[in-house]
Parts: sequence; structure tokens; C-alpha cells
Amino acid sequence: NAGVTQTPKFQVLKTGQSMTLQCAQDMNHEYMSWYRQDPGMGLRLIHYSVGAGITDQGEVPNGYNVSRSTTEDFPLRLLSAAPSQTSVYFCASSYGGGPQETQYFGPGTRLLVL
Amino acid sequence: AQSVSQHNHHVILSEAASLELGCNYSYGGTVNLFWYVQYPGQHLQLLLKYFSGDPLVKGIKGFEAEFIKSKFSFNLRKPSVQWSDTAEYFCAVTGHGSSNTGKLIFGQGTTLQVKP
Repeated sequence: NAGVTQTPKFQVLKTGQSMTLQCAQDMNHEYMSWYRQDPGMGLRLIHYSVGAGITDQGEVPNGYNVSRSTTEDFPLRLLSAAPSQTSVYFCASSYGGGPQETQYFGPGTRLLVL
Repeated sequence: AQSVSQHNHHVILSEAASLELGCNYSYGGTVNLFWYVQYPGQHLQLLLKYFSGDPLVKGIKGFEAEFIKSKFSFNLRKPSVQWSDTAEYFCAVTGHGSSNTGKLIFGQGTTLQVKP
């Protein structure tokens, strides 16, 4: 199993540009999440999904869209990039709640918005 | 408000020293608690987790954590650190139940530097 994969690893954008961060998992996990990591702030939840076709907002959703058309994929879209979105983005997946819940994280995408 | 606070932002230890990283949380209801580690250049990995039962939880690489409900704390400990423990450590919380799955609340992180 490849686990959770993310592409690209690194991206530079200009203010106002749009892009999609890709996330895929091959573990047949129902739950997937996107977090951003900023210095001194830990990881903050952007959006999450409890299954194909179902998404909801997390703590910091503004400026981001998500969709979940398949169990495997959970792309994160930046509609109009802003310097405040410079961050490291992590995608995570998990099987379910309770004792089984362990979130598996991808390697991250480092985004720089100029 | 739901939150996690890690008291130590940057810890420097010599090899063989004992480690304790503090974590306090604010969360209504029954909680699940986690410690994740991020080694340099790598992605987050689970160190240990608590759901219920014995409040002393043992994880990988000799780490353990104790859940003290009355203090809303979940401190991470290791009796003797190694240089390879140099990493960033994150405490996280979520609530019980499937509605909370995938919605971790993280602390700010603690950077541990172990000197050989």
C-alpha cells in the first residue's frame, strides 16, 4: 500500500492564481481530512469528509473548496491564492471512529504564495 | 472553546535525559487523545493514543503518556531520550463517536532537540 499520497510536494503561486492540491489513499478509508500547518499554531483542520459525496468545513475553511467524488481521492482547491495561504498542507485519512481511529498522514505539500 | 495547549515550545535535552512534554486540553465530553511525532523531513506518525481504560498508555519507541482527567492533561514521557528522538511532537484531541472522526484539534507543537 502506498498509504496517503499528496501532489505536488512543493508549489509557488502568485496572488490570485488558483490550484488544486491532490490527495489520494489506497486503504479504503471512509474519513479524509485536510489540515494546514503553520509555525507556532500546530495543525488546523480546513475541511473533512466522512465518505464519498459528503464534506464539511473545519476550523479554517475560507478560501478553500473540497469535493469527494470517490473514496480514494480528496482534492483541495484554492480558488484565489493569497499570501496568508502560504503553509504546509497535510491530507489525512482514517478508517473510523473509536479505538480504530488512527489518522494516517500524507507527506505534505509546501505552498508559497507570493 | 475546544483547544489543546502544549506548554513547551522548544525543549533541548542531552542524550539519556528524561523527557516530559506537557499537554492540556479543553473539550466538552468524552475525549480521545493522541500524540503524533514529525521527524525532520517526514510526515506525522502516531506515537500513542488513548480512548478509554488504563490512563497510562504505552506507545512506540519507549514513549508513554498519562491521561489525568481531573487535570485535563495528557503528558508525554520517556525515561531516556536518544538523539533519534529529535523531532516535533504534537498533542491532539477529538471527541468520542463517529461524528468526530477525522476532526483532530492539535496543539501548537513542541520541538525537541536531543544533543548527542
